[in-house]
Amino acid sequence: KAGVTQTPRYLIKTRGQQVTLSCSPISGHRSVSWYQQTPGQGLQFLFEYFSETQRNKGNFPGRFSGRQFSNSRSEMNVSTLELGDSALYLCASSQQTGEETQYFGPGTRLLVL
Amino acid sequence: AQSVTQLGSHVSVSEGALVLLRCNYSSSVPPYLFWYVQYPNQGLQLLLKYTSAATLVKGINGFEAEFKKSETSFHLTKPSAHMSDAAEYFCAVSDPASGGYQKVTFGIGTKLQVIP
Repeated sequence: KAGVTQTPRYLIKTRGQQVTLSCSPISGHRSVSWYQQTPGQGLQFLFEYFSETQRNKGNFPGRFSGRQFSNSRSEMNVSTLELGDSALYLCASSQQTGEETQYFGPGTRLLVL
Repeated sequence: AQSVTQLGSHVSVSEGALVLLRCNYSSSVPPYLFWYVQYPNQGLQLLLKYTSAATLVKGINGFEAEFKKSETSFHLTKPSAHMSDAAEYFCAVSDPASGGYQKVTFGIGTKLQVIP
């Protein structure tokens, strides 16, 4: 099976812009979670989608949003970008929500100038 | 609230030497515990996980970890380091009763350097 794929792999934006990141889970996986990784804060949970519904949400402002499509692919959107949003954004999939084994994608590295 | 503390943000070992990466957790309930590895420009790969079965957990690439409730520890070990083990390692904890994995908390990470 193909692994979790994320597009694009690298992205450069300027402050105030918005960005959309995409994640395709492993075939058959219905849960997709998003994480932000920064040197200062480490890995932080953003949110999880399962069956097109947001099931869990981390402690991030409303500028961060997401959605999931019927084929389980997920997108994450960040509006009004700030310099502090520069990070590696990781997507992880699992077969079911609440399942302890997640499979991570390679991430999208976002640089905000 | 749950948390993990990884002792040592950078660890250096010689090739062939013992690898020991330390992780202590805090959780109000018996936790699930995980170790992940991240190679440069890649996502996280699950090395091993503890989910209340055997306290000594064997993972991939020769790594293992032992859950010690009395010490609230879940240290990662490998008897003999290989150059390919150079990477960043993350310890993580989750509360099984919280709805599981999506409430996982990660440690800050330990970068392992293997010296030839």
